[in-house]
Amino acid sequence: QKEVEQNSGPLSVPEGAIASLNCTYSDRGSQSFFWYRQYSGKSPELIMFIYSNGDKEDGRFTAQLNKASQYVSLLIRDSQPSDSATYLCATPGGTYKYIFGTGTRLKVLA
Amino acid sequence: DGGITQSPKYLFRKEGQNVTLSCEQNLNHDAMYWYRQDPGQGLRLIYYSQIVNDFQKGDIAEGYSVSREKKESFPLTVTSAQKNPTAFYLCASTNGDSNEKLFFGSGTQLSVL
Repeated sequence: QKEVEQNSGPLSVPEGAIASLNCTYSDRGSQSFFWYRQYSGKSPELIMFIYSNGDKEDGRFTAQLNKASQYVSLLIRDSQPSDSATYLCATPGGTYKYIFGTGTRLKVLA
Repeated sequence: DGGITQSPKYLFRKEGQNVTLSCEQNLNHDAMYWYRQDPGQGLRLIYYSQIVNDFQKGDIAEGYSVSREKKESFPLTVTSAQKNPTAFYLCASTNGDSNEKLFFGSGTQLSVL
């Protein structure tokens, strides 16, 4: 069964630091990955997606994909208290289905 | 603005009652999904639909039913057979390509009275 694994956290970082969130996946054939941010009581919001090996940057966010090692990471630079949320990693898991990790809770300390 | 609208935001169910959660999208997406999220847990797939008049069971379909009579609408009914319905319910959609991004509605919190 295809799986996506994340450390549940909480991952605590001081304000202004780099937060590094990691995700590993079991299906070597997985092609694309999505990072969602979910605030408590709210729905997931797509913040990054990556299809190719390497890095993809968007503002303070960088997604990194390493297909050989089967992991994908999300780096948040200059972390702010407003970044405190749960971050979900997801990948398509077959026709019209998606596989989600259980999420990593990030706490940015002011 | 295009998006996915879920209603109501909060819903209370009495024992033995069926309740229906609404999900409407104006993104012209082909595929729609229902997920359940329990506190501190990940997302679990209830049902999904690739096209109108067709839908498939997800991992936890028991006690739930859906319909897809229109492309824009994918309502979820939580039946009395679902003994533990308290959860946060999320509707999502995508245009159907296997690598396309999945977008979510704002969610419905269902509680049992």
